[in-house]
Amino acid sequence: NAGVTQTPKFQVLKTGQSMTLQCAQDMNHEYMSWYRQDPGMGLRLIHYSVGAGITDQGEVPNGYNVSRSTTEDFPLRLLSAAPSQTSVYFCASLNLGSGETQYFGPGTRLLVL
Amino acid sequence: GDSVTQMEGPVTLSEEAFLTINCTYTATGYPSLFWYVQYPGEGLQLLLKATKADDKGSNKGFEATYRKETTSFHLEKGSVQVSDSAVYFCALSRTSGTYKYIFGTGTRLKVLA
Repeated sequence: NAGVTQTPKFQVLKTGQSMTLQCAQDMNHEYMSWYRQDPGMGLRLIHYSVGAGITDQGEVPNGYNVSRSTTEDFPLRLLSAAPSQTSVYFCASLNLGSGETQYFGPGTRLLVL
Repeated sequence: GDSVTQMEGPVTLSEEAFLTINCTYTATGYPSLFWYVQYPGEGLQLLLKATKADDKGSNKGFEATYRKETTSFHLEKGSVQVSDSAVYFCALSRTSGTYKYIFGTGTRLKVLA
């Protein structure tokens, strides 16, 4: 049981490049989410999903796309990276039916030059 | 809208000192309340939670009581250790209507030997 996994751990991009941050969970959780963590701002919700085929915007969705084709995977896409997207990104999942505890991945540190 | 406010850090304590990290929230109804901990270089992990008023969550010597009358969920520990050095996040979740999970900005704790 690996829990929530994220790849890559660290990435450097140039402005305008695109990339996909991968997130997978093996706990059969319905709910998955993406957060960004910036100094002094805590965690801010980017996008979330309550099941395969269902996604919705969080607090800071601009510049990011998501899709949820399977229960296990929830990739986050940056279509045209900007320096303002330099951050640490965390994926999380939870079982909506049992206690609302979120389980977090180890994070992806992204630097956009 | 819903929000979580934590005391600013960093908090620096000597080993075996008493710890309090304040957390207050704004929300309608009865959200669930959480404390998460983030050790250096890692993702967040649940420390404790409370799902209704007057509930006390506890784990690893940490405690927090859900106070509806003061809309607070302060984290306490009677005797901190160097290994408790981390960032602590207060959070709330709501399941009525659109599912929401909101974090505070985090409080960094440094414990000196």
